[in-house]
Amino acid sequence: DQQVKQNSPSLSVQEGRISILNCDYTNSMFDYFLWYKKYPAEGPTFLISISSIKDKNEDGRFTVFLNKSAKHLSLHIVPSQPGDSAVYFCAALTQGGSEKLVFGKGTKLTVNP
Amino acid sequence: DVKVTQSSRYLVKRTGEKVFLECVQDMDHENMFWYRQDPGLGLRLIYFSYDVKMKEKGDIPEGYSVSREKKERFSLILESASTNQTSMYLCASSLGGASGNTIYFGEGSWLTVV
Repeated sequence: DQQVKQNSPSLSVQEGRISILNCDYTNSMFDYFLWYKKYPAEGPTFLISISSIKDKNEDGRFTVFLNKSAKHLSLHIVPSQPGDSAVYFCAALTQGGSEKLVFGKGTKLTVNP
Repeated sequence: DVKVTQSSRYLVKRTGEKVFLECVQDMDHENMFWYRQDPGLGLRLIYFSYDVKMKEKGDIPEGYSVSREKKERFSLILESASTNQTSMYLCASSLGGASGNTIYFGEGSWLTVV
């Protein structure tokens, strides 16, 4: 049973436009959420995170929104750049719990020049 | 900067061989993890360790074991490699507790079992 779901395996956007990557979770105990970016043949790199006490966190071109009632979060990238083309993983955990991150299956973003 | 180093980037092993994947982190992190990544399946946790000599099974521990004799080093062992263990293996570490929920990954080890 998947606790973190990324229902879109892939997304294609034009350079300069907004990319919106979505993530849903089922475990109401999750209270900390992270996004990772992964290029082929490399390990994932941390991108941005959000605690459940917030509904938005912004870092440059990247903004994560959290809707706790809907158990939904999204990553916005504005403006999108070709170098953003990668697989993006959503992850969640319960702070003070088992310390294990639960990952979604990832969304492959392609930004076309 | 946190550095997680996986000693082998690319390995080719024969079915039945014993395989060791080594991982070292330099930030005195409490927690260390081994994941594998397969297309369409995302990142799946094999084992993790929250202290020296401590280990816990993840979601897919079958066919694997781990060793954590020192805080900075976490080894993944395939006792008898099989072709379905061909994958990208990712080691990661985190500080743990309220201070550090972010996991940092190594660059990955591509294992092919023939």
